Formats: sequence, C-alpha cells, structure tokens
Amino acid sequence: GAGVSQSPSNKVTEKGKDVELRCDPISGHTALYWYRQRLGQGLEFLIYFQGNSAPDKSGLPSDRFSAERTGESVSTLTIQRTQQEDSAVYLCASSSHGGGHAEAFFGQGTRLTVV
Amino acid sequence: KQEVTQIPAALSVPEGENLVLNCSFTDSAIYNLQWFRQDPGKGLTSLLLIQSSQREQTSGRLNASLDKSSGRSTLYIAASQPGDSATYLCAVTSGGSYIPTFGRGTSLIVHP
Repeated sequence: GAGVSQSPSNKVTEKGKDVELRCDPISGHTALYWYRQRLGQGLEFLIYFQGNSAPDKSGLPSDRFSAERTGESVSTLTIQRTQQEDSAVYLCASSSHGGGHAEAFFGQGTRLTVV
Repeated sequence: KQEVTQIPAALSVPEGENLVLNCSFTDSAIYNLQWFRQDPGKGLTSLLLIQSSQREQTSGRLNASLDKSSGRSTLYIAASQPGDSATYLCAVTSGGSYIPTFGRGTSLIVHP
C-alpha cells in the first residue's frame, strides 16, 4: 500500500478483555516497530521486527503484551486482560531496512480505551 | 542508553516568524536523526531525515541541522504559518540499537 495502515483506528474495550491491533507496513519494508503513546506523553518503544531475525521485545511492559509478524508482512499486537493503564495510542512504523539508516514511516495509530 | 531532550516544550508565535526548535541527545554514536510532526489525534509525519554523515537537510521552509559532536540538532522553520501548528518530534537511532528513541516533542502554535 501507499503508507502504513493500522486497524482499528479506535477501540473501546472492557477491562479484562483481550484486544488485537493490526499493522500493515509499506510493501517491501523489512523493519517494523510498535510504540505506545499515553496521553500527553512521549513515544514508548514496545517491539521491533527486522526480516526473519528474532524480534527485539525489550520494550514490552508486561507478559500481557505480545506481538507477531509473519515474514515481512502484517503484524499484530495483542494485549491480554487489558487494564485501564493500557489506554493509549498504539503506533506502528516501518522502514525499508534495519541497520539504523532508513527513514521510518508511521501509521495513524490505534486509539485504545479501556473502560 | 540514549536520551533525547527537546526544548522548548511549547511555543506560541505570531504568523510569519522564523522559528528554531532544539533537540539534544546524550550518545553521539548515532546512525541518523529524524524530525516528525504530529497533528492532534494523528500519527507521525516524517519531515526530514539526517544521516550521521550529513550536516543538514532542507525541505521547503524547513531546514534541519545536525552536530553530532555536541549532540544537537535544530529544526528551523522559516516564515511560520498557522498550518505549521503541531507537535514536532525528534527521533535518534543510535549505534548498537536500530530502534529510534524519541524526545517528548515541542508543541507549536502559530496564531494568525
């Protein structure tokens, strides 16, 4: 596609439910990142995928959070047993390759509200 | 661990002014530095990417400079317009990690 696409754009869920967020990167981009942005806060790194390498999960805040990516395509971020503190905008980005030199492009984000 | 700081946190100016936004980082061993803008409720839009070997990049009314040795970058906005109102974010990708680290941003309001 023309840009990074995220779905849904908004999600309201009840505390304790599981949610799944989706990211479609730009076609051909091997690197994919997930970030979280709480209201009025900066971007907090969650997880990084690069090609077929093992993902860097160092930013995941708890074992309730997990993410998958099949090859160089779609990624899903799953939050189990959601808590109110999980309310945030979840942003996905992709770049043409890893290695630190490529420009990152972001999607519009998924706004998650846990009630 | 790389830390990125942006000053000022907020800025309000009349239309037509030239602006300088600042970004500083603690680890000078970087791959690149990228400037983004974020409109309320939206994702991030890439403005400029400066590789570690470069000193500056320009796009239209925007000019970004990079001084690795002092750990600083500036984003210069010429002849500001109300449409420039947004939050401007700086992100640094450092050696040893391919993950961009973000500053907290500068919230800019340009009033007519």
